[in-house]
Amino acid sequence: DAGVIQSPRHEVTEMGQEVTLRCKPISGHNSLFWYRQTMMRGLELLIYFNNNVPIDDSGMPEDRFSAKMPNASFSTLKIQPSEPRDSAVYFCASSLGVGDSPLHFGNGTRLTVT
Amino acid sequence: AQTVTQSQPEMSVQEAETVTLSCTYDTSESDYYLFWYKQPPSRQMILVIRQEAYKQQNATENRFSVNFQKAAKSFSLKISDSQLGDAAMYFCAYRYGGSQGNLIFGKGTKLSVKP
Repeated sequence: DAGVIQSPRHEVTEMGQEVTLRCKPISGHNSLFWYRQTMMRGLELLIYFNNNVPIDDSGMPEDRFSAKMPNASFSTLKIQPSEPRDSAVYFCASSLGVGDSPLHFGNGTRLTVT
Repeated sequence: AQTVTQSQPEMSVQEAETVTLSCTYDTSESDYYLFWYKQPPSRQMILVIRQEAYKQQNATENRFSVNFQKAAKSFSLKISDSQLGDAAMYFCAYRYGGSQGNLIFGKGTKLSVKP
């Protein structure tokens, strides 16, 4: 089991540029989550998918953020255009989609927007 | 809406001693799950322990145990025989019992372990 794989691990970009974060969930998991972690706001859910379908995207900050899950083994989170306030660590997590199944997290992507 | 509160931003413990981290939550649901996650400086999120709300028995994983008080909506984590490797941020999290629930996290407690 390779765990949840996120790429890149670090991303530095300039304001206004497009940023794409990638995630490969654990094989067999049918729920996928994108979280953002900042010092001020802690861990916030951005969006989650169940069986590749977005269930709750109420945490997506604004239209600049979009997420897709074209198949069970891949998801992307895109920010276009990026802004300095988007700087954070972005985590992807997956689970079996039942209540007592824990979320398994990737190592996160640290995004810095200058 | 469900909320999770960790009232201790920072805690410190002497190596080999015992420490308890507090967590309270607010929910109107009767079926839910509670978790503690550890985040060391590497930033990896590691599951420490989980508790099903319908189980009265407190969960235990080696040196880690919880004190689950459902009526009080309290879910504290006890770490016994603390080790230097236990130093990390600890997050309490709530998950609704439905099959599609996401995790709601507290703000975290930073635990320091003194040698």
